Amino acid sequence: EVQLVESGGGLVQPGGSLRLSCAASGFTLSSYWMHWVRQAPGKGLVWVSRISSDGTGTNYADSVKGRFTISRDNAKNTLYLQMNSLRAEDTAVYYCARSGGALLSYWGQGTLVTVSS
Amino acid sequence: EIVLTQSPGTLSLSPGERATLSCRASQSVSSSYLAWYQQKPGQAPRLLIYGASSRATGIPDRFSGSGSGTDFTLTISRLEPEDFAVYYCQQYGTSPPFTFGQGTRLEIK
Repeated sequence: EVQLVESGGGLVQPGGSLRLSCAASGFTLSSYWMHWVRQAPGKGLVWVSRISSDGTGTNYADSVKGRFTISRDNAKNTLYLQMNSLRAEDTAVYYCARSGGALLSYWGQGTLVTVSS
Repeated sequence: EIVLTQSPGTLSLSPGERATLSCRASQSVSSSYLAWYQQKPGQAPRLLIYGASSRATGIPDRFSGSGSGTDFTLTISRLEPEDFAVYYCQQYGTSPPFTFGQGTRLEIK
């Protein structure tokens, strides 16, 4: 069974940093591109970033470019999102998702990031 | 960037009725790379439809998708109580960003 479990969310002050993790099981992580999608409280889904199966290719939404870094450790079956210079508007539930192409076929349950002083 | 606009914002129907949800793109979606997701409160989204009209694994056949180019539709033929949720369309073409629509809330009348 495919499972994705996010962790690392919490309360952080504006300008701070946080690293999210997504532990994958039930499939071979190295075979799939992976994505992060976020959802602000009461709002819709917003695509954040993706990384190629071998980690050499990445893309970002303009709103996070230069502040967020996606990475992966296939040996540890884990996806990461390093978030720096956090802003109040980054407050959201962050989901990791497995993709075929850019189709998001499996999602984790999400981890909440709150940026507030 | 492709902007997806979903309508209506909220749809109020009764179990057993037919639901028709619309997703319109600001430019043509390549190769019908259009997906629909269902999200219930407190849960992650779940893939329903991909390629505009193909059902994902385990999705009941009362869910169907249609459309091409810039106009797409999700139809639920006979609403079951568990179908009341928020539905999002997403385009997943060749280039990011892979945008979502703002969602349609399907509520019990």
